[in-house]
Amino acid sequence: AQKVTQAQTEISVVEKEDVTLDCVYETRDTTYYLFWYKQPPSGELVFLIRRNSFDEQNEISGRYSWNFQKSTSSFNFTITASQVVDSAVYFCALSSGNTGKLIFGQGTTLQVKP
Amino acid sequence: DGGITQSPKYLFRKEGQNVTLSCEQNLNHDAMYWYRQDPGQGLRLIYYSQIVNDFQKGDIAEGYSVSREKKESFPLTVTSAQKNPTAFYLCASSIVLPGLAGGKETQYFGPGTRLLVL
Repeated sequence: AQKVTQAQTEISVVEKEDVTLDCVYETRDTTYYLFWYKQPPSGELVFLIRRNSFDEQNEISGRYSWNFQKSTSSFNFTITASQVVDSAVYFCALSSGNTGKLIFGQGTTLQVKP
Repeated sequence: DGGITQSPKYLFRKEGQNVTLSCEQNLNHDAMYWYRQDPGQGLRLIYYSQIVNDFQKGDIAEGYSVSREKKESFPLTVTSAQKNPTAFYLCASSIVLPGLAGGKETQYFGPGTRLLVL
């Protein structure tokens, strides 16, 4: 069975704090992809990152960084020096097989207070 | 500009009525998807199509129907058989790579349609 778990339902931080959003996944496939999407209040999902199962290098993009660890089946997302504009719901998702189906976690609502 | 459009933004359905949600993309993507999002939950796949004139059921297809007559368009009909249709509906599209790489491409999403029952 394939599953994505985002155990943190809501997180509240003050601006400029660092925050990490956790994502744990389950799959029996050896080839799979992991994604993070941001959903601002407008509702549209915005793509942030895609990572394949053979690439465990961590990635940094500006204030965003991702830590992929196959040993613990985790793909965590860290925002450094958070800003109010980072307030949104963040989804972790898993794709395997050739259907293109994405398995989404429940999402983590991040609130960044000024 | 290239992108995915969904209309209408809000849709109201009366009991026993079928309604159709529009999804159009000009990204030249082969694959298109429909997801449903309920409050406080992740997205669940309703239907998907990887090629024109072909589509497959997702996890929650009951009460929904789709068509894929054109590459750019993938309309979703919420039928009267769907007893709890109130939700946020998101359409997505992606390229399709051949072979083992297929199905793992990034999906890009439209702005969504909120469906409410009167």
